[in-house]
Amino acid sequence: EAQVTQNPRYLITVTGKKLTVTCSQNMNHEYMSWYRQDPGLGLRQIYYSMNVEVTDKGDVPEGYKVSRKEKRNFPLILESPSPNQTSLYFCASSLQPNNEKLFFGSGTQLSVL
Amino acid sequence: AQKVTQAQTEISVVEKEDVTLDCVYETRDTTYYLFWYKQPPSGELVFLIRRNSFDEQNEISGRYSWNFQKSTSSFNFTITASQVVDSAVYFCALNGFQKLVFGTGTRLLVSP
Repeated sequence: EAQVTQNPRYLITVTGKKLTVTCSQNMNHEYMSWYRQDPGLGLRQIYYSMNVEVTDKGDVPEGYKVSRKEKRNFPLILESPSPNQTSLYFCASSLQPNNEKLFFGSGTQLSVL
Repeated sequence: AQKVTQAQTEISVVEKEDVTLDCVYETRDTTYYLFWYKQPPSGELVFLIRRNSFDEQNEISGRYSWNFQKSTSSFNFTITASQVVDSAVYFCALNGFQKLVFGTGTRLLVSP
């Protein structure tokens, strides 16, 4: 089954404790991206990747890192989480970024205390 | 820059009513794509439709229909005979540079 797998589904952590949210897709998509969803703001792009070892900043990249060492994986790293990073996070992938639908993971609800 | 506006924050209807969710977009591109996604209470994002700017035909899929009007830069979504299972947040989106630009969403509450 074609899918984007995101883990964990829920995560509670404390300020400053490094964490990683994993994302994997099995569709051989070149494009992958991370979004965060906040009330009243919709979804905003954090980072994206056009292919292996090719990543770039989205609209709200501060406080986040990503890597793309393999085509299928695109982890989101918070080196020193802060409470303003409490949000619902989605990983997404597609064949192309500009005209194809995005396949989304099931989301990660992160709370930073 | 691209922008998507969903002015309706929340809509409440009673089951079997028809409801229209508005979406207005801004773009300078001559070729672009519009999308609708549904986010049920479980939280995942479910793709509903993709429409390119060259195709202004309205589309119907069961109880769902979409009205695309380039003249008013709108891509509205109508649910006919709403059901409780339609309760969700609905997002309209427009393709931007290497991303989708989302509206802020409309929460639809359908009560029995």
